[in-house]
Amino acid sequence: NAGVMQNPRHLVRRRGQEARLRCSPMKGHSHVYWYRQLPEEGLKFMVYLQKENIIDESGMPKERFSAEFPKEGPSILRIQQVVRGDSAAYFCASSLHSLENTGELFFGEGSRLTVL
Amino acid sequence: GENVEQHPSTLSVQEGDSAVIKCTYSDSASNYFPWYKQELGKGPQLIIDIRSNVGEKKDQRIAVTLNKTAKHFSLHITETQPEDSAVYFCATGGFKTIFGAGTRLFVKA
Repeated sequence: NAGVMQNPRHLVRRRGQEARLRCSPMKGHSHVYWYRQLPEEGLKFMVYLQKENIIDESGMPKERFSAEFPKEGPSILRIQQVVRGDSAAYFCASSLHSLENTGELFFGEGSRLTVL
Repeated sequence: GENVEQHPSTLSVQEGDSAVIKCTYSDSASNYFPWYKQELGKGPQLIIDIRSNVGEKKDQRIAVTLNKTAKHFSLHITETQPEDSAVYFCATGGFKTIFGAGTRLFVKA
């Protein structure tokens, strides 16, 4: 049973370009979460999605960032017009059930975005 | 907003010694407290968790304690080994799992 798969593992973009990060959750998981980790810092919640729905995006910047989890295919985190401050590791996690107040998150190995 | 504070940020111990990492949280409604271990270049992985109806939980060399009144919880690693070297994160659970800033543990052989 494959774990959470993220790609690309490393992505380099110049300022102003677009970055697309993909995440395939664990088999059978329909809940996906994106987190951002800046160097030497903890993980910050960005967005929680279920198939075709955004449940909570309170941690995602209102501009330039968007996320989707279509009926078919991986979840995608899209960053438009990237700036140097977007350089970070972006982690995707999935869970079998809605976490509510309990439950394990299964993380992918992350996508490391570098903006030149 | 909800906040989780974690201390220390760096911890260096000799192999065989114990390591303790402490966290405090602000949301009194929190009732699930996972701990994650992150190795270099990898994603975090759950190592132990505790729910609010329990004060202590142990799994081999790892134990977690919870004081809901004081809103404290701690991770204890006994008989540390070099492979325990990693970054450890405490968290409060929920779909917006809130993570502490992490503790970088070094175990010297």
